[in-house]
Amino acid sequence: GAGVSQSPSNKVTEKGKDVELRCDPISGHTALYWYRQRLGQGLEFLIYFQGNSAPDKSGLPSDRFSAERTGESVSTLTIQRTQQEDSAVYLCASSFLYGQGYEQYFGPGTRLTVT
Amino acid sequence: SQQGEEDPQALSIQEGENATMNCSYKTSINNLQWYRQNSGRGLVHLILIRSNEREKHSGRLRVTLDTSKKSSSLLITASRAADTASYFCATGPYSGGGADGLTFGKGTHLIIQP
Repeated sequence: GAGVSQSPSNKVTEKGKDVELRCDPISGHTALYWYRQRLGQGLEFLIYFQGNSAPDKSGLPSDRFSAERTGESVSTLTIQRTQQEDSAVYLCASSFLYGQGYEQYFGPGTRLTVT
Repeated sequence: SQQGEEDPQALSIQEGENATMNCSYKTSINNLQWYRQNSGRGLVHLILIRSNEREKHSGRLRVTLDTSKKSSSLLITASRAADTASYFCATGPYSGGGADGLTFGKGTHLIIQP
């Protein structure tokens, strides 16, 4: 079946502009996660959703970052007033249920470059 | 904060040899996972080992877990060129609040020389 998809695959934006990144999880997966990966680094957890609820937003780097999820489907990560430090690959993952022991399936990522 | 630390940061071996990567973590876990990342297939789950398991096998992969030392190792036997990738260990998510996604280390970059 279809895996996790993300769009766009690449995004180049000017400093100060807003960007919106999209994630389509695997159908039936209730949990959805957003991560950020800077060049040569591991993944940094940002936020997760159980259904359309995000219980903890403390992982978001700043108040310029926000995320929404519609039901148990599409999620969007919005970055307002982008900064060069926001340049990274943003990865989305989904799992059947939230919690330990559930494999997370990752999308191909969106490479964001802020000039 | 970073939970897993992989060692070595980079490893280059000849095709056919075995590759061993290590991971250390800081807090108590219920399970630990290993992922592989390469440009062709993105980030892919390899294996999950639970805290009550000491060793687990999957094809050419062998994972060990020592909860007393808070460490895990990933062994790839009979390496192939296609194994060239970055390998990450990950712990979590944790229940009961807090940063509840997977926590990844910086990874081991493995290069298989033909």
